[in-house]
Amino acid sequence: NAGVTQTPKFQVLKTGQSMTLQCAQDMNHNSMYWYRQDPGMGLRLIYYSASEGTTDKGEVPNGYNVSRLNKREFSLRLESAAPSQTSVYFCASAVPSYEQYFGPGTRLTVT
Amino acid sequence: KQEVTQIPAALSVPEGENLVLNCSFTDSAIYNLQWFRQDPGKGLTSLLLIQSSQREQTSGRLNASLDKSSGRSTLYIAASQPGDSATYLCAVSSGGSYIPTFGRGTSLIVHP
Repeated sequence: NAGVTQTPKFQVLKTGQSMTLQCAQDMNHNSMYWYRQDPGMGLRLIYYSASEGTTDKGEVPNGYNVSRLNKREFSLRLESAAPSQTSVYFCASAVPSYEQYFGPGTRLTVT
Repeated sequence: KQEVTQIPAALSVPEGENLVLNCSFTDSAIYNLQWFRQDPGKGLTSLLLIQSSQREQTSGRLNASLDKSSGRSTLYIAASQPGDSATYLCAVSSGGSYIPTFGRGTSLIVHP
């Protein structure tokens, strides 16, 4: 039982490059989330998926797209990376109204 | 819109002290409140979850209380140890979609 896994752990991109962050959970949770964490800003929700087949925007969705591939997997795509997207990205999953479980994070630097 | 505030932002205490971390929220119509621990460079680890119908939860040396009417929760850590050094975040779920709103955390250092 691995919980929530994220790949890659670290990534450096040049401005304008694209990449996809992968997230998977093995807890049979319906809901999955993508957050970014920046110093002084706390955790901010980018997108979430309440159930397989649905996705919704969070607080800071601009510059990102998501795909809920199946119940286990929820990916986050940066189409054209910008320095402002340098951050630590966390994926989380939960049964609604119960505990939220987080992955280890992806540290992304955009130069 | 729910807003979550954690005070203090940073705390440094000697080993062995009992301490209280505070979390306040503006909308009392919550589903639950969750306390997390985050070590430097790591993800968030869930410590305690309190449902809206509960007043407190305990796990080992940790006790979390919830007072919805005043919009407050406290995390009590008994007999603190250097290994308790971390950032502690609270998150409040409210609204129709159960989306948690996070506080910015309290950075705790327990020195020997």
